Amino acid sequence: SYELTQPPSVSVSPGQTARITCFGDALPKQYVYWYQHKPGQAPVTVIYRDSERPSGIPERFSGSNSGTGVTLTISGVQAEDEADYYCQSADTSGTWMFGGGTKLTVL
Amino acid sequence: QVQLVQSGAEVKKPGASVKVSCKASGYTFTGYDMHWVRQAPGQGLEWMGRLNPNSGGTNYAQKFQDRVAMTRDTSIRAAYMELSRLTSDDTAIYYCARDRGGYGVDFWGQGTLVTVSS
Repeated sequence: SYELTQPPSVSVSPGQTARITCFGDALPKQYVYWYQHKPGQAPVTVIYRDSERPSGIPERFSGSNSGTGVTLTISGVQAEDEADYYCQSADTSGTWMFGGGTKLTVL
Repeated sequence: QVQLVQSGAEVKKPGASVKVSCKASGYTFTGYDMHWVRQAPGQGLEWMGRLNPNSGGTNYAQKFQDRVAMTRDTSIRAAYMELSRLTSDDTAIYYCARDRGGYGVDFWGQGTLVTVSS
């Protein structure tokens, strides 16, 4: 299996743009999914298949894949976006892995 | 509407086993894989494995390969995750999660807290 690497923390002021990266050797070949996780709640999928947004997720959430790295971008960050964010992918056998998570702080 | 309702909190002693249930409603239970994910205190999300409710087939994370069993009872639309030989490191919230194929997880259970303590 392989690992996914995320920065432990990202901080932005309200209204600014937050970018959370996720790196892994197999990312050019496998889709990445992003989950938002707030304390005491179940996680929520905010991006699937690298850049698709589920219904009900605000347009300020977007995803991109540049090859070895993927990025979750939150434009015009709001206080309610403060949470932990995890990237997730799978290998060819269907084994999943999560990145270590990034704590987004809205200053 | 789709719901995944998990069993209640458990307290176990080291060396014991725990079996967490996840009862599905609002969709065709056998049509979607079910994953189990856990989060230990202060730690990130950790994938434990997946269950195909239709075939009963499983795919476990290597870390849990020798002490986890994921099963189902299609008659009551329930998935189960049993973890044996518990240690304090297994203290965590355990989630079941429905996999909508290439769309990722679209529904999660509410989580089950398992505490391992002597």
